Amino acid sequence: KAGVTQTPRYLIKTRGQQVTLSCSPISGHRSVSWYQQTPGQGLQFLFEYFSETQRNKGNFPGRFSGRQFSNSRSEMNVSTLELGDSALYLCASSLGLAGEQFFGPGTRLTVL
Amino acid sequence: KNQVEQSPQSLIILEGKNCTLQCNYTVSPFSNLRWYKQDTGRGPVSLTIMTFSENTKSNGRYTATLDADTKQSSLHITASQLSDSASYICVAQGGNNRLAFGKGNQVVVIP
Repeated sequence: KAGVTQTPRYLIKTRGQQVTLSCSPISGHRSVSWYQQTPGQGLQFLFEYFSETQRNKGNFPGRFSGRQFSNSRSEMNVSTLELGDSALYLCASSLGLAGEQFFGPGTRLTVL
Repeated sequence: KNQVEQSPQSLIILEGKNCTLQCNYTVSPFSNLRWYKQDTGRGPVSLTIMTFSENTKSNGRYTATLDADTKQSSLHITASQLSDSASYICVAQGGNNRLAFGKGNQVVVIP
């Protein structure tokens, strides 16, 4: 069974631009969560989607948004990028809410 | 204040030696405690998941313990190998399904 895939793996953007990251969960998994990871802060929860609905949300500004499609694939969008948005963005899927999470390899975003 | 605190922040150990990583959490109500291993540049990989009724669980050379009364967990690595060099992340899940992440224990194994 294929694992969680994330695209792109690396991204370089400049301040003010917007970016869209994609996550394909493990087949059969219906829950997708997104995290931001920086060296100083560790893993920070962004949001969780289940059956195309956002079920939980972390403490991030409205510039961070996401969605989930009917096939459980998910995207997250960051608008008006800031230097501080440079981070590793991780996606994790699970069968359902509160289930064991399986992480993807992440997307490394660099904002210049 | 972070709901999950890990110590030590980092440590260096000789190949073949054992080490123990500590995790204290304040999540309440408590559902389960998870340990993940994250290699540099990769996503975390689950090592163990323990509910409040479990006090020890092993995965190969990794053994996790849980004391739900004192809200403490530990991860013991036996006979360390170079491939154990990684960040080990402790995660506590609350009754509201929210996950609280520690900042990780950075382990470096040297030959």
